[in-house]
Formats: sequence, structure tokens, C-alpha cells
Amino acid sequence: NAGVTQTPKFQVLKTGQSMTLQCAQDMNHEYMSWYRQDPGMGLRLIHYSVGAGITDQGEVPNGYNVSRSTTEDFPLRLLSAAPSQTSVYFCASSYSSRDREHFGDGTRLSIL
Amino acid sequence: GQQLNQSPQSMFIQEGEDVSMNCTSSSIFNTWLWYKQDPGEGPVLLIALYKAGELTSNGRLTAQFGITRKDSFLNISASIPSDVGIYFCAGRLYGQNFVFGPGTRLSVLP
Repeated sequence: NAGVTQTPKFQVLKTGQSMTLQCAQDMNHEYMSWYRQDPGMGLRLIHYSVGAGITDQGEVPNGYNVSRSTTEDFPLRLLSAAPSQTSVYFCASSYSSRDREHFGDGTRLSIL
Repeated sequence: GQQLNQSPQSMFIQEGEDVSMNCTSSSIFNTWLWYKQDPGEGPVLLIALYKAGELTSNGRLTAQFGITRKDSFLNISASIPSDVGIYFCAGRLYGQNFVFGPGTRLSVLP
């Protein structure tokens, strides 16, 4: 069972570069979300989606864009990478916003 | 943004010992979750709690939804080396997103 798949697992970027973190789930979950994890701060919600075509901002959305054209995929875009965006990014999904989430293995992103 | 507090931040215990950790919030929640994260992996759900006072077990793990709805507790009995990891709590009020605590890092000494 694939569950939630994130790619890439590791990435190094230069300041100002853009890139897209991919997330796909094969569980037909409606709710998907992106978190960042920084030392000592737990997980913070960046953006989330309650279904295809619907997205909304979480706690720390600045500098990130998302789209949800299909139920399966929820990519996260960094428009112009900044060192403050160095973090571990987790994608998660669940049947609905009220259900517990299934997490991917994360993308470790370093911005130089 | 709203955050949860977890205590202790880290702990070192001997294999076979019992472990207790807790999570507190300034706001009430309707749902509490406990996750474990192993190095290099995403969090994995351990226990979900949906009712104040609820006590739920999953093997050697037991979690409780505090009566005040502002806290939750996780206990691990007879710890083993594979219990090593970071334990996160998460809370949610209906209609809102989950909020995560900063985690408790557990080390088990042989």
C-alpha cells in the first residue's frame, strides 16, 4: 500500500529559486494538507484542501502556493525560496477534516 | 498561532521502565491525537481520543483525554528499545484544524 507519497525526499536550493514539492495519495481521501516541521516547534499547517478545486491557508502560508486539480495530488510550490524555508515538509491526507491524518515520509529542504 | 505544550521535552529511561508524558492547551479541544515519529519518517498515529475522560489503550500504550478538555496524557509501560522516537500530541476543536505540540523526545537505554 503506497499511502501518501512525497517526492523528492531531499532537495537543496539556492535563494530565489522556485520548486514544487509533490504529494500523492491513493486512498481516495478528500482532505489533504501540508505542514512544515522545525526543531522545537512541532508541525505547523501551511495550506490545506478539503477536496479537488478547493484550497485554503493554514497557519504559515506566506511564500507557498498550492493547487488541487485532482483528488490524488496536492503539490506545494515555493515561488522564490528563502533560507527561512529550510525545513522538513510533510504532506498528509484523511477522509475528511475531522479524521486523523496519514502522513508521508517528508521532504527535507535546504535553502542556501 | 495556537500551540500546545508538551512535557517533558525529552527523557532518558532504562529499558523496562514505564513512561509518562502530557500535553496541555490553553483552549479546550474535542479531539486529541497522539503520534510517534521515527527518524527520517513521518508521524504515525498511535491513539485517538474523542471524549473527555476517555481512556484508550493500544498495546503497551495508554492515553487519556483530560476531564478539563485542555490536556491529554500518554503512558508507555515496560519500555523497549523500539519505543525510541518523538511523540507528538495534536488537538482540535470542531471546525478548526489540528494543532500540534512540539514533541517529547524519548530515548531508551539498554
